[in-house]
Amino acid sequence: NAGVTQTPKFQVLKTGQSMTLQCAQDMNHEYMSWYRQDPGMGLRLIHYSVGAGITDQGEVPNGYNVSRSTTEDFPLRLLSAAPSQTSVYFCASSYSKRTNQPQHFGDGTRLSIL
Amino acid sequence: GESVGLHLPTLSVQEGDNSIINCAYSNSASDYFIWYKQESGKGPQFIIDIRSNMDKRQGQRVTVLLNKTVKHLSLQIAATQPGDSAVYFCAEKGSSSASKIIFGSGTRLSIRP
Repeated sequence: NAGVTQTPKFQVLKTGQSMTLQCAQDMNHEYMSWYRQDPGMGLRLIHYSVGAGITDQGEVPNGYNVSRSTTEDFPLRLLSAAPSQTSVYFCASSYSKRTNQPQHFGDGTRLSIL
Repeated sequence: GESVGLHLPTLSVQEGDNSIINCAYSNSASDYFIWYKQESGKGPQFIIDIRSNMDKRQGQRVTVLLNKTVKHLSLQIAATQPGDSAVYFCAEKGSSSASKIIFGSGTRLSIRP
């Protein structure tokens, strides 16, 4: 049971490049979410999904797209990378958003935009 | 807007002593609270949670206390060990199914030998 798996662990991009951060979970969780973590700040929600085919915006969605074609996968796309998107990105999942349960987190993708 | 915050950004504790990490929340409608531990280079790891119908919950070496009157949450770690060194986050969630989890900025716990 791998839990939440994120790839890649590290990435350096140039301004304007696009890329996809991968996230997969093997726990059959309905709810998946993406956060970014910046120094001195708490985790901020980018996008989330309550099930396959359903996504919604969090508090900082601009510059990012998501899709949820399967229960297991929830990729995050940077459309045109900007230096302000330099951050550590975490994917998380939980059984359901309807019930109060803790989320399981991946180990993050450290992204630098030059 | 609603926010969750921490009183102390860093906490240094003697090994073997008890640690207390505090958190203030501002959304009186929040009814679910979680503590996470984040070690360097890792994602947050769930420690313990508490619902608003409780004021205390205990786990293995950890206790969470909830004071709804002053909107305060604390995490107590008994007999602190070197492996407890990490950043600790509190998080809160509102009562509706549409509400999102809001995280505090974290407290770094360091252990003195």
